[in-house]
Amino acid sequence: GEDVEQSLFLSVREGDSSVINCTYTDSSSTYLYWYKQEPGAGLQLLTYIFSNMDMKQDQRLTVLLNKKDKHLSLRIADTQTGDSAIYFCAEKNGGFKTIFGAGTRLFVKA
Amino acid sequence: NAGVTQTPKFRVLKTGQSMTLLCAQDMNHEYMYWYRQDPGMGLRLIHYSVGEGTTAKGEVPDGYNVSRLKKQNFLLGLESAAPSQTSVYFCASSPRDSVYEQYFGPGTRLTVT
Repeated sequence: GEDVEQSLFLSVREGDSSVINCTYTDSSSTYLYWYKQEPGAGLQLLTYIFSNMDMKQDQRLTVLLNKKDKHLSLRIADTQTGDSAIYFCAEKNGGFKTIFGAGTRLFVKA
Repeated sequence: NAGVTQTPKFRVLKTGQSMTLLCAQDMNHEYMYWYRQDPGMGLRLIHYSVGEGTTAKGEVPDGYNVSRLKKQNFLLGLESAAPSQTSVYFCASSPRDSVYEQYFGPGTRLTVT
């Protein structure tokens, strides 16, 4: 069945780059997303990439997609303490259902 | 424009009690969803609705019922709460055929003792 996997924790120093990785199983995935959840809040879309793209850059965020390995990554450049949150990878294959990973908790040390 | 709102924010229930969670959106979205979030797990879809008067089961529908009598509201009911339903519940909405994103509410933290 469909599954999205992420590591649960990542710790970085302020100013360093963070790389959060995700793997998915559905080869028909068409849309892949990164959501951010801050404490006590709902999920908010950070960025997305279509399956026919390899890379997308949006200010400090870079998304890389390796379709062959079904691997998605989110790189945050110059990580700040305000980036501390849970980051969810999610995929959709054009149908109604979005499959979410368990989330990666990013700790940013000052 | 409040987006997606949920009430209540917190609730503690005893086993066997019932309650209704209310979700409201003011963006005229067609689709609405209820998810639950448990530690170490991704969001799991409970029920969803593709329009007023229609609902459908998601991944984990047992123990829950829903209603969408008005386009802007999506209600999630627990008829007889169980400790396994202790979770954080999120409502979301999206426009028809949106490939881009779902808009999430702030969540309701429910504890069943």
